[in-house]
Amino acid sequence: QVQLTQSGAEVKEPGASVKVSCKASGYSFTTSAVAWVRQAPGQGLEWMGWVSGYNGNTNYAQKFRGRITMTTDTSTTTAYMELGSLRSDDTAMYFCARRTYMIDAADYWGQGTLVTVSS
Amino acid sequence: QSALTQPASVSGSPGQSITIACTGAMSDVHGYNYVSWYQQHPGKAPKLIIYGVSNRPSGVSNRLSGSKSGNTASLTISGLQAEDEADYYCSSYTTTSTLEVFGTGTRVTV
Repeated sequence: QVQLTQSGAEVKEPGASVKVSCKASGYSFTTSAVAWVRQAPGQGLEWMGWVSGYNGNTNYAQKFRGRITMTTDTSTTTAYMELGSLRSDDTAMYFCARRTYMIDAADYWGQGTLVTVSS
Repeated sequence: QSALTQPASVSGSPGQSITIACTGAMSDVHGYNYVSWYQQHPGKAPKLIIYGVSNRPSGVSNRLSGSKSGNTASLTISGLQAEDEADYYCSSYTTTSTLEVFGTGTRVTV
């Protein structure tokens, strides 16, 4: 069965960086992309971008360009999302999701990683 | 890029049908058939319930259906059940800087 397992909660100070991992299993990693979505407390969902599991190509939402990096490690079928220059409004639950090229939608999701930015 | 517009809340009685609208623009909902809907229960990850405007993933109840007309996509839930109580988000591909955009979200109360 398809599973996406994310790393644990993080607490960071303003200005720091955070790197969240997403371990994929149960499908061929190179046939799909991994998308990243975040949700601030009590707020809606926000697309951050995605990274191809095939060749590592990325598409970032303009809001995050310059301080976000998405990568993959095909040997461990793991995707990573690193967000820098953290601010208090980056406090959110961060989700990874499999985005298949066949249906252009996020069909399986990780459990979420809570990132708290606080001094 | 602003989020797609959804009503903040919709309610219905068990067995009734409800429809959630998702309004966008030419650059997103109107221009592409890449509209998806996600269901999110409190404290849980979102779940894909509709993709490509009107397609249901395997295992999703046929009480859920999607459609689109012009700038507006819609999700209909028929035969409302207690388990349908959740937040619902539409999503669409967009030509603007975000590449993809979610709706503002709708809280469904049964």
